[in-house]
Amino acid sequence: GESVGLHLPTLSVQEGDNSIINCAYSNSASDYFIWYKQESGKGPQFIIDIRSNMDKRQGQRVTVLLNKTVKHLSLQIAATQPGDSAVYFCAGLSGNTPLVFGKGTRLSVIA
Amino acid sequence: EAQVTQNPRYLITVTGKKLTVTCSQNMNHEYMSWYRQDPGLGLRQIYYSMNVEVTDKGDVPEGYKVSRKEKRNFPLILESPSPNQTSLYFCASRPGTSGAPTDTQYFGPGTRLTVL
Repeated sequence: GESVGLHLPTLSVQEGDNSIINCAYSNSASDYFIWYKQESGKGPQFIIDIRSNMDKRQGQRVTVLLNKTVKHLSLQIAATQPGDSAVYFCAGLSGNTPLVFGKGTRLSVIA
Repeated sequence: EAQVTQNPRYLITVTGKKLTVTCSQNMNHEYMSWYRQDPGLGLRQIYYSMNVEVTDKGDVPEGYKVSRKEKRNFPLILESPSPNQTSLYFCASRPGTSGAPTDTQYFGPGTRLTVL
């Protein structure tokens, strides 16, 4: 069945450094891939998405890379800040089917 | 303000006592869904609804019911709660399905349920 998973459950990064969070997926039919950020006590919040026909998309301080050959997705956060500390989820969206979420990676920013 | 609201935010109950968690969105979204979030398991979808009177099972529907009588509301019903339903629950909505912008998926603030 379809699955979206993450390589690392936790990631610690020094403030100001760049962060890279990785995600693997199994369903090649996904139309979109999405990254969510979830802070403690809150619901997931959309960060950025990428269509399946793209390789890269940039937002404000974030970049998502999609490698369809190896079914891999990554989220890069530039100049990581304490406010970036959260759990990050990748998710896949295919047509009318529900989002499939990965298990999450906790990002801790060390001041 | 565009938002998804859930009530209650916290609930402690006992096994077998029926409960309902309400979800409401003010964005006229077609698609609504319920997730539960458990440590080490991430977000798992319980039920979803593509429109009024249209509901479908997600990954973990056992022990839950939903209804979609109006576009804005999508309550989650636990007819006979059990301790394994202790979890953090999120309601979410987005405008539509195929071709809909993905950056307009909104999540509610969550409901923490404990079943003793």
